[in-house]
Amino acid sequence: EAGVTQSPRYAVLQEGQAVSFWCDPISGHDTLYWYQQPRDQGPQLLVYFRDEAVIDNSQLPSDRFSAVRPKGTNSTLKIQSAKQGDTATYLCASSLAPTGGTEVFFGKGTRLTVV
Amino acid sequence: TQTVSQSDAHVTVFEGDSVELRCNYSYGGSIYLSWYIQHHGRGLQFLLKYYSGNPVVQGVNGFEAEFSKSDSSFHLRKASVHWSDSAVYFCAVKSNYQLIWGSGTKLIIKP
Repeated sequence: EAGVTQSPRYAVLQEGQAVSFWCDPISGHDTLYWYQQPRDQGPQLLVYFRDEAVIDNSQLPSDRFSAVRPKGTNSTLKIQSAKQGDTATYLCASSLAPTGGTEVFFGKGTRLTVV
Repeated sequence: TQTVSQSDAHVTVFEGDSVELRCNYSYGGSIYLSWYIQHHGRGLQFLLKYYSGNPVVQGVNGFEAEFSKSDSSFHLRKASVHWSDSAVYFCAVKSNYQLIWGSGTKLIIKP
């Protein structure tokens, strides 16, 4: 079974530039998460979807960040105008409907550096 | 709202020693607890989970964890660590759709 796939693996931007991250979840997983993980910290949820619907995006900086999952499969996270504070690893994860003890599977992440 | 606390930022042991990494949670309904490992520069990998049943759960690579409702704990243990166990370990509790994460414990293995 293929895991969660993310691209690119690395990105280096200057402040003000835009970037998009792509995620392909495990086939059949209806729940998809985007996390931001600053260096030496735990993951912090940005947004998650159930199918194509946004369930919670309260932690997503809406003025510069956006996330979509138009067909309920792949997802894109976009940063419109990057800031140095956005430097972090961006993790995508997926799982089945969160009833019972379902495991969450993570991709390898995209390491973003904003200079 | 559920929260999870990992009180030790760093734990250092010698190769071959046993180790326990601590995790405490706040109770807020149905319990789903898990541990993940993150090697340097890598993504998060699932180790084990507890949802119901036997409070001692076995995971990969000789790890186990024990759920205690009375102590609100889900500590991770390994009887004999290997240098490859050097990593950051995260405890997480599931609240509704999302995982609530601890701050992580860095396990350092001395030769």
